Parts: sequence; structure tokens; C-alpha cells
Amino acid sequence: DGGITQSPKYLFRKEGQNVTLSCEQNLNHDAMYWYRQDPGQGLRLIYYSQIVNDFQKGDIAEGYSVSREKKESFPLTVTSAQKNPTAFYLCASSIDTLPGSEDNEQFFGPGTRLTVL
Amino acid sequence: DQQVKQNSPSLSVQEGRISILNCDYTNSMFDYFLWYKKYPAEGPTFLISISSIKDKNEDGRFTVFLNKSAKHLSLHIVPSQPGDSAVYFCAAGGSARQLTFGSGTQLTVLP
Repeated sequence: DGGITQSPKYLFRKEGQNVTLSCEQNLNHDAMYWYRQDPGQGLRLIYYSQIVNDFQKGDIAEGYSVSREKKESFPLTVTSAQKNPTAFYLCASSIDTLPGSEDNEQFFGPGTRLTVL
Repeated sequence: DQQVKQNSPSLSVQEGRISILNCDYTNSMFDYFLWYKKYPAEGPTFLISISSIKDKNEDGRFTVFLNKSAKHLSLHIVPSQPGDSAVYFCAAGGSARQLTFGSGTQLTVLP
């Protein structure tokens, strides 16, 4: 089955520790994204990558880092510098089509809920 | 500054009636728009999209309307079903291919 997987579903971390969230897709999509969702808020973009070995900061990149060594994988590291890391993290991917195309939808993984103790 | 706004955090509708979810945007460079549905503790799932060259797109019970002059789009669900109860996000994209999401509207369909 094609899709996006995120692991683990729930993650607990002690304050001051770095933690890496996994995101894998087998949809052969070029573009991948990381968002966080907080209660009562929409999804906010952390980082995105349009191609292997390239990534760009989103709206709230501070305290996060990513890598894109393989097309299928886009791990997100939440560092100790992130002030409010407790959130629901969502990974997504999309075909990198021309802007304005109705095929530009992003497909989301099931999410990882990170709780900092 | 929120570029995509969903001003109604919640909406309740009777089963069988029409649900209308609204979304406003401020950035005139957005040229395609999407609606996603999200259940608790799950990732959003894509529902329907529309590009700026159209003013309506229909898929089964779901229709999205776009009013570019008013910078407004709406999602109509008819007839509404209890399984439609979820949070609905509108999203907008432009040449940067990033999506900007609204804050979501919780739809509750009452049996």
C-alpha cells in the first residue's frame, strides 16, 4: 500500500533532550513537509523539502532541524532549543506539480504526538 | 497576520441538511485552494480542491465555491451525515507550493 508513515505515534521526552521524528513515504513524491498543530490552531509549516538534499525553513523553523538524504525519508529533529515542543506533528508529501494545479494536494501521515515532561 | 482565516471555530448541523463552511484569505497571490478533513489524533485527509481559474468544483456531496473578488471560499456538504463530523481545514497555495492553513472549523452533524 502506498502512503506516509510516521513513527512513533506517541513520544515522550525529557526537557533538554533532542528527539527525532520519523517520516517515510512510498508515493514517489518529490516534496515533503513538516507541520505542527496546537489546540485551536491550524497547521503551521516548520520545514519543507522539494527535492533530495534540499530543504527550506517554514514559518516556525526555530528549534527544529531536518535532513533529506533520501527521497522517501524526511526526519525532523526537535532540539532542546525549541521553547514549546509539546504538540502534534504532521508530515506530508506531494507531487511537485506546476503551481495552480488541482493535483497539488498534500497527503498526510497519521501524526506523532510529542509530549515534553 | 493570518493569511487564511476560518472565522467559525464550530458549526452544528442536523443530519440531512446542508453544511456550509467558510474561509477567507488575504493574499491575492494564492492560486489554488484545498479543503481537508481531520479526525482527532489522525492526519488530515484531502477532500476537494479548486484552482483560481474556476469558481466551482463538485465531487459527490462536496462542492467548493470560490469568489476571487471577495477572497472567499466555501465548502458545501449536502446532505450532511454524522460521519462528516470532524475538523475541516481550508488551505491555500501559490507559486511557492507551500500551503497556508486556516485554523479549522469543527463540524458536528447531529442525528
